[in-house]
Amino acid sequence: DAKTTQPTSMDCAEGRAANLPCNHSTISGNEYVYWYRQIHSQGPQYIIHGLKNNETNEMASLIITEDRKSSTLILPHATLRDTAVYYCIVWNFGNEKLTFGTGTRLTIIP
Amino acid sequence: EAGVVQSPRYKIIEKKQPVAFWCNPISGHNTLYWYRQNLGQGPELLIRYENEEAVDDSQLPKDRFSAERLKGVDSTLKIQPAELGDSAVYLCASSLAGVNEQFFGPGTRLTVL
Repeated sequence: DAKTTQPTSMDCAEGRAANLPCNHSTISGNEYVYWYRQIHSQGPQYIIHGLKNNETNEMASLIITEDRKSSTLILPHATLRDTAVYYCIVWNFGNEKLTFGTGTRLTIIP
Repeated sequence: EAGVVQSPRYKIIEKKQPVAFWCNPISGHNTLYWYRQNLGQGPELLIRYENEEAVDDSQLPKDRFSAERLKGVDSTLKIQPAELGDSAVYLCASSLAGVNEQFFGPGTRLTVL
């Protein structure tokens, strides 16, 4: 599986957009980008995934660069409940194992 | 709809004692996963089941860890004997086959003294 690189931590003001970057320069053509988050003392929660097109759902937007070597997760209006560790994961259908890294610890500041 | 249920939520044991964790996945999810999460790290897969069959147990330390999923629903993960290094959060997740949106339970925090 392709490896991902994320900043260790980030802060964002409440009400602003939180933009979380992820580098995955060795991603293969059939590998998807998945994002999960883990709020303190809870299990990880699926957020969104994409292959090459940008994706949006009720939680977030995922922007994938044209060369697919990096992506950005956008939380459009961050709230205090968005404080969590965010994991960017590259995954393909041939390997049904999610490989979590250490993620980005996002802190929303009141 | 109920989520993934795990019990107990917390467990404290002395080293060399046995311990077991239980997981009830979301109804209809035939894929079940056990992960271990050490402090400050992301979860690491221990074993994956498709129905009753363990299809990936390559990361399960088989000398002391065992798991079962009888009837393809509930699952139990056991450690015998526990070591100090087994202190971690043990997470169970489930998903529909071929879909990688995994739903996680709250985990069991194990402390081995």
